[in-house]
Amino acid sequence: TQLLEQSPQFLSIQEGENLTVYCNSSSVFSSLQWYRQEPGEGPVLLVTVVTGGEVKKLKRLTFQFGDARKDSSLHITAAQPGDTGLYLCAGTFYTGGGADGLTFGKGTHLIIQP
Amino acid sequence: DVKVTQSSRYLVKRTGEKVFLECVQDMDHENMFWYRQDPGLGLRLIYFSYDVKMKEKGDIPEGYSVSREKKERFSLILESASTNQTSMYLCASSLDRYSNQPQHFGDGTRLSIL
Repeated sequence: TQLLEQSPQFLSIQEGENLTVYCNSSSVFSSLQWYRQEPGEGPVLLVTVVTGGEVKKLKRLTFQFGDARKDSSLHITAAQPGDTGLYLCAGTFYTGGGADGLTFGKGTHLIIQP
Repeated sequence: DVKVTQSSRYLVKRTGEKVFLECVQDMDHENMFWYRQDPGLGLRLIYFSYDVKMKEKGDIPEGYSVSREKKERFSLILESASTNQTSMYLCASSLDRYSNQPQHFGDGTRLSIL
């Protein structure tokens, strides 16, 4: 079983501050997704990264994929209360001829206080 | 937009009952997945399927079975429900095995076994 470490597990900051969430593995990802989940709902896809070194931006969110495709980060600039939620990274590892199900990190519970 | 629909948002069953959780996707996706999500453990893969009538065990298949008679529908079956199967169950689908397309999730079924 592939392991995927996500940090920090919990983060509570004030509105307007910046933050970074990390996702690391000892294995190489064929692709990596970031999801956001609100209580009682399913995870909603934010971004997919595939190429080593790739950087994607989604408004105030910046996603980076490590050059070796073993790690990723999510940076939020000027956090707002609406950013509150559970952020999940999930990796796909190719085995044999195709992709298995996603391996999830345990998530970062983010609270943005007004 | 991809739509993954889970038949029930909340479900309460008794120990020993046979429980069916249904999932339907409307995007002609080949892959479908069942996960469970528990506090402190994150999302864990139970079973997945690459095609009609095909199924593969995930990380925690014990106590579960699945059925995929039609491409759009993937059912999770608890043969004899037990209290340790109380959890949030999430269904997901993705395009196919090789295109690196992300998984899209339903809103989840919160299952309680009494």
